[in-house]
Amino acid sequence: IQLTQSPSLLSASVGDRVTLSCKGSQNINNYLAWYQQKLGEAPKLLIYKTNSLQTGIPSRFSGSGSGTDYTLTISSLHSEDLATYYCYQYNNGWTFGGGTKLELK
Amino acid sequence: QVQLKESGPGLVQPSQTLSLTCTVSGFSLTSYHVHWVRQPPGKGLEWMGVMWSDGDTSYNSALKSRLSISRDTSKSQVFLKMSSLQTEDTATYYCARVLRVPLDYWGQGVMVTVSS
Repeated sequence: IQLTQSPSLLSASVGDRVTLSCKGSQNINNYLAWYQQKLGEAPKLLIYKTNSLQTGIPSRFSGSGSGTDYTLTISSLHSEDLATYYCYQYNNGWTFGGGTKLELK
Repeated sequence: QVQLKESGPGLVQPSQTLSLTCTVSGFSLTSYHVHWVRQPPGKGLEWMGVMWSDGDTSYNSALKSRLSISRDTSKSQVFLKMSSLQTEDTATYYCARVLRVPLDYWGQGVMVTVSS
């Protein structure tokens, strides 16, 4: 399964509502996770099984979707959220999307 | 607490074999699966393979002919070996664990440069 993330680069301001998209080449059956990676760090799990928030992750992060189309939403952007975000499917094999880099406008 | 730590050579010559170790603590390799993921400089993440808790393995089809993953449960270590290295194998290599939640804990990563 191939994953396509859009946009590849997103400029936003602190306080903005931000939406990141991930589209699969086949049905992912909700086995979709989201990771945040800051420069020089390992990825951090934010969301798994489409909409389950990992322990310790702020509630401003949420996930949704079904079938082939999934979304990560940050309800109100904080400065510490500036990072690259990857979606990851584990329904049929294991694949990462190409990433969306979130930067300050 | 849960920890994973990758170790290995920082520099490997082209055509040689890469050997990496993932040493874990805070959980058992017979209960959790351990995946390997790599990231070339400035690029995205690539899933490489997995050591299942039962000792079986699965590999990325694009790497399968060059990749081998094994383990020593008595030492809480998972090993990655990849042969015929080329410059495009230059990357940071991560190990991460899975049970019901995918890739919830990651190691810090080890940077490997392929160069003569």
